[in-house]
Amino acid sequence: DAGVTQTPRHEVAEKGQTIILKCEPVSGHNDLFWYRQTKIQGLELLSYFRSKSLMEDGGAFKDRFKAEMLNSSFSTLKIQPTEPKDSAVYLCASRTDSSAETLYFGSGTRLTVL
Amino acid sequence: GDQVEQSPSALSLHEGTGSALRCNFTTTMRAVQWFRKNSRGSLINLFYLASGTKENGRLKSAFDSKERYSTLHIRDAQLEDSGTYFCAAGTGGYKVVFGSGTRLLVSP
Repeated sequence: DAGVTQTPRHEVAEKGQTIILKCEPVSGHNDLFWYRQTKIQGLELLSYFRSKSLMEDGGAFKDRFKAEMLNSSFSTLKIQPTEPKDSAVYLCASRTDSSAETLYFGSGTRLTVL
Repeated sequence: GDQVEQSPSALSLHEGTGSALRCNFTTTMRAVQWFRKNSRGSLINLFYLASGTKENGRLKSAFDSKERYSTLHIRDAQLEDSGTYFCAAGTGGYKVVFGSGTRLLVSP
């Protein structure tokens, strides 16, 4: 079975650009998460979808971050406009449903904003 | 592979009392994070530690990389503290390994 697939693996952007990160969850999983990982803060929740419905929009990340899930097998995270402080690894994770204890993580997208 | 052993799997507390959750690691972890599963099922960050201890209100967490463990202490437990708590740790790369969770029930 394919795990969580994230593309691209690496992204370099100029300050002010728009970037779109992509995620394909494990087939059949109803829950999808976007996290940002940094060495200072660890994993920070950006968005949470349950059956394609947005359940959590990340609070402090609402301003320039927008996650969408147009179908059950594909999600995007748009950052617009990018800032240097957005440089981090962005992880996508999925699980069967909210009762499941195991989160399956993708390999992440390393974003560098110059 | 890397493993995280979290205990206890379930914990019952009366209001006003306290206890500790623990995670043991089979390898040296670079950092640990504690989450709580909220009513929507999201994992919300409680603490992120690369070393030492951190405290926030009635919660306190400690991490000893050398001894390969982390703890989450809850004092003066309240009904709203009920939920499932997870630790997660990483060796410094992208991989994050989660504990199996602790279901906490606080009763009057």
